[in-house]
Amino acid sequence: AQKVTQAQTEISVVEKEDVTLDCVYETRDTTYYLFWYKQPPSGELVFLIRRNSFDEQNEISGRYSWNFQKSTSSFNFTITASQVVDSAVYFCALSGNGGATNKLIFGTGTLLAVQP
Amino acid sequence: EPEVTQTPSHQVTQMGQEVILRCVPISNHLYFYWYRQILGQKVEFLVSFYNNEISEKSEIFDDQFSVERPDGSNFTLKIRSTKLEDSAMYFCASIPDRQSNQPQHFGDGTRLSIL
Repeated sequence: AQKVTQAQTEISVVEKEDVTLDCVYETRDTTYYLFWYKQPPSGELVFLIRRNSFDEQNEISGRYSWNFQKSTSSFNFTITASQVVDSAVYFCALSGNGGATNKLIFGTGTLLAVQP
Repeated sequence: EPEVTQTPSHQVTQMGQEVILRCVPISNHLYFYWYRQILGQKVEFLVSFYNNEISEKSEIFDDQFSVERPDGSNFTLKIRSTKLEDSAMYFCASIPDRQSNQPQHFGDGTRLSIL
């Protein structure tokens, strides 16, 4: 069965601090995809990144970076120099190639509060 | 950039009434999805739809739910007789095909409130 665990329910930081959001996944698929989505207070789901299971290179996009480690089944997300606008719920998600339809399995989310 | 659009943004319905949530997926996409998010909880898969039929559904998607693509552009989710516990945000998503490198892009959601 596929599962995504985000153990951090809430994180509070002060602006300009770095923060890492943890994501651990379980899957039996050999090919799978991992995602991060941001859900701001307005409620929409904003796609941030998609990685496939064969690409373990870390990725950096501006203040965002992602660390994918297959050995520990983790796909962690770091925000450098956090800003108030980063305040949101962040969801990690998994999609397997073995399923019929590439449905997404979401974690429970981490609420990030960035204080000014 | 093309977007998935959902209407209405907020729907208030009396318990027991039927409700239809509408989605317009991105135009060349072939796989369509509905997800549900109860307030404060995680996003849960409901159903996927391909080639005019359901390709996968979750345990949540019981006989009270149905989906259809009535006119080649809209993708609808119908709840036949709403219950209080159907109150949630409902998200629609689409992808071009299963091998696509594109991620699932979501609409802005419909907030359904059952009174």
